[in-house]
Amino acid sequence: KAGVTQTPRYLIKTRGQQVTLSCSPISGHRSVSWYQQTPGQGLQFLFEYFSETQRNKGNFPGRFSGRQFSNSRSEMNVSTLELGDSALYLCASSLREANYGYTFGSGTRLTVV
Amino acid sequence: TQLLEQSPQFLSIQEGENLTVYCNSSSVFSSLQWYRQEPGEGPVLLVTVVTGGEVKKLKRLTFQFGDARKDSSLHITAAQPGDTGLYLCAGVEYGNKLVFGAGTILRVKS
Repeated sequence: KAGVTQTPRYLIKTRGQQVTLSCSPISGHRSVSWYQQTPGQGLQFLFEYFSETQRNKGNFPGRFSGRQFSNSRSEMNVSTLELGDSALYLCASSLREANYGYTFGSGTRLTVV
Repeated sequence: TQLLEQSPQFLSIQEGENLTVYCNSSSVFSSLQWYRQEPGEGPVLLVTVVTGGEVKKLKRLTFQFGDARKDSSLHITAAQPGDTGLYLCAGVEYGNKLVFGAGTILRVKS
């Protein structure tokens, strides 16, 4: 079966712009989470969606937002980009609860210049 | 947010050697997960341990969850170059949130 698909794989944006990243979870998976990975901070939790509702949110500024559609596909948006937003953004899906483990996508590498 | 301390940060060993990676916290997690990540890719789930004292084996990899569910270890027997990668432990926190350790970069030389 198809894995978690993230698009685009690479993105270069200018400081101050906004960006939207997309994630298609494994078919049947209703939980979608987003993580930011940087060399200095490692993997940090952004937010989790389940059945179109945000269930949990990490400690990121309001410039980071997301949503989930009825087909479980999810998008995350970052507005007013800063240089420090350069990172690998990972999407992960799960059948039910986190205790079952997550399947991650290959990520979107965002570079802000 | 609970913290997970992972050690060592970096391991460089010869093919055939054994190694252990540790993951420790002062807090209790409902489960501990181990992932392996290769450059340019997302983490891949290796195992989930849920019960205190649980031991799981995956070929040459042995995972252990501490009795108090605060710590875990990953032991690799007779490491091979294909084991090279970033190993991450992650605890499940309230709210289905994964808290990740900083990771262990493993390099196995042939």
